[in-house]
Amino acid sequence: AQSVTQLDSQVPVFEEAPVELRCNYSSSVSVYLFWYVQYPNQGLQLLLKYLSGSTLVKGINGFEAEFNKSQTSFHLRKPSVHISDTAEYFCAVSAQGAQKLVFGQGTRLTINP
Amino acid sequence: DAGVTQSPTHLIKTRGQQVTLRCSPKSGHDTVSWYQQALGQGPQFIFQYYEEEERQRGNFPDRFSGHQFPNYSSELNVNALLLGDSALYLCASTLGQILYGYTFGSGTRLTVV
Repeated sequence: AQSVTQLDSQVPVFEEAPVELRCNYSSSVSVYLFWYVQYPNQGLQLLLKYLSGSTLVKGINGFEAEFNKSQTSFHLRKPSVHISDTAEYFCAVSAQGAQKLVFGQGTRLTINP
Repeated sequence: DAGVTQSPTHLIKTRGQQVTLRCSPKSGHDTVSWYQQALGQGPQFIFQYYEEEERQRGNFPDRFSGHQFPNYSSELNVNALLLGDSALYLCASTLGQILYGYTFGSGTRLTVV
């Protein structure tokens, strides 16, 4: 079975500051990794995904994430955040060949002006 | 290009009643999954439908059932509603495999009173 731990439930940052949202996962088999964003009263939108190959993955809205197999981590970063990045961010894992996503509890990113 | 469409957007039901939620997948997608998102939690996988059959199921009781139609749209049925079934129900679609990434709908907010 797979599990995901998002290490911070809330992350407050100032506008234009860098941010890192941390995600660790557990799995006995190879996995795919995803980050999704959820804006208030909306569904989830895919930010980026890691399937294989380069461990640095670039996504939409200036976000990127790095897969670290030895530390079983997939942290999300953005060098400079904007007010519009205020949202809930979910890390998710799927075993390769499986059909379900296992989500973390989410990290609420709050951007202060 | 329409994304994933869910109806209704909000619903209030009484304990013991039955409810049906509906989902139209993104154009070109053939696989539909349903997730339950309780307040303040990450989404949890209910089941996935592909070629009108349930392909995989999460840890949900038999009170939760579903259906996929030939046009790939899907329904989620919940019988004998409990207060704990109150949640945001998300439908997600993809083309065959999870590695392509899901497209999520905005969800149906179910309140059981």
